[in-house]
This record gives sequence, structure tokens and C-alpha cells, in this order.
Amino acid sequence: QKEVEQNSGPLSVPEGAIASLNCTYSDRGSQSFFWYRQYSGKSPELIMSIYSNGDKEDGRFTAQLNKASQYVSLLIRDSQPSDSATYLCAAKGSGGFKTIFGAGTRLFVKA
Amino acid sequence: EAQVTQNPRYLITVTGKKLTVTCSQNMNHEYMSWYRQDPGLGLRQIYYSMNVEVTDKGDVPEGYKVSRKEKRNFPLILESPSPNQTSLYFCASSLDSDQPQHFGDGTRLSIL
Repeated sequence: QKEVEQNSGPLSVPEGAIASLNCTYSDRGSQSFFWYRQYSGKSPELIMSIYSNGDKEDGRFTAQLNKASQYVSLLIRDSQPSDSATYLCAAKGSGGFKTIFGAGTRLFVKA
Repeated sequence: EAQVTQNPRYLITVTGKKLTVTCSQNMNHEYMSWYRQDPGLGLRQIYYSMNVEVTDKGDVPEGYKVSRKEKRNFPLILESPSPNQTSLYFCASSLDSDQPQHFGDGTRLSIL
């Protein structure tokens, strides 16, 4: 069974701090990775997609991919209370068309 | 406005009564997918479709059916719902399976 693992949290950080969210995946052949944010009672919305090793930055968000170690991370700089949500990591499985999601990490940003 | 539309948003029904949850997207996406979300388990893929008339099982397909007769529509069918199918369901679409997905607002199903 191909898996995506995340620490369920909650992760609590003060306003203005850097929040670091981590994800590991078991399918070594996975090539496409995604971070989604989900507010309580809402649908997931895309934060970032990443396909190559290294860092990808978009505003306050940086995604990091290390295929050799099979992990993906998301850094949120200058965290705001509005960033409080569940963050879902997802990987497109190799050898097919399935998408596998982690169970999500709950983030709380304290004002 | 680009969107994925699911209906109904909420449904309470009884065991064994067939139901269909509709999903429609207006972005001409080829890839569509159904997920269920349960506490502590995250999003689990039920079925996906790569294009019209092409569907395949995800990780939890038991008890569900889908069809893709038109590119924009991807209904989820529960022929004989059971209480263990009580969950929050999301439909999603993307250009292809390697692209990020756009999600509908969700359908909360309660099977009594």
C-alpha cells in the first residue's frame, strides 16, 4: 500500500514565526507533489505544487522536495492567524493515475 | 467562474436506498476524481477518471460506482448505501493526473 505520512499535530506557532510542515511518501517513483490547505468545514485548496528536487517559493510559502529521502516539506514564513488550518500533503503515485493524500497536519497560529 | 459543482451538499438517507451525488466541472479538465474524508484518515480516493469512458478504482472503491459519459460530469453512485459510507465526499478535477486538483464544496452524507 503506497502511503503518504504526516504528523497530525496540532502544530502551534506564534504569529510571525516560521511554521514547518513535513511529509514523507513511500512510493519512490512518485514525481508530482502537492500541498493543500483546508479550513474547517471547507474544501481543500492548492497552496503549492512541486515536481523537482529543491525549493520552490511562492510568497510566504516555500515547498521543499527531496526525492532521495522521500520527503516533502512546506515552510510558512511570517505565520498569520489566518494560516490556521489543516495542511494536506499529496503525491501522484507512480505506475498509474492515483493521488494519495496524507491525513493532514493541523496548524494553529497564535496571535 | 472556474468551478467544480457537487450536489447535494447535504443528504440524510437510509440503508439500501440508492443515491447519486452529481459532480460537474466547467474547466474542460480531463481528470476527475472522488474522495471521501473521514476523521483521522484524511482524503481517500474512491474512483478516478482519466477521460470520457475511462475510469479506474482508487483505494476505497467498494460499494461505489461511477460513470464518465461526458467530459464535464462524473457522478458517484451508491447502489445500496450502508452506514459505513457516512462521510464527507469531495469531487475534484484537474487538467491531468499530474496537475493540482480543484475541489468541489463537498457533500456530507449520513446513512442511517
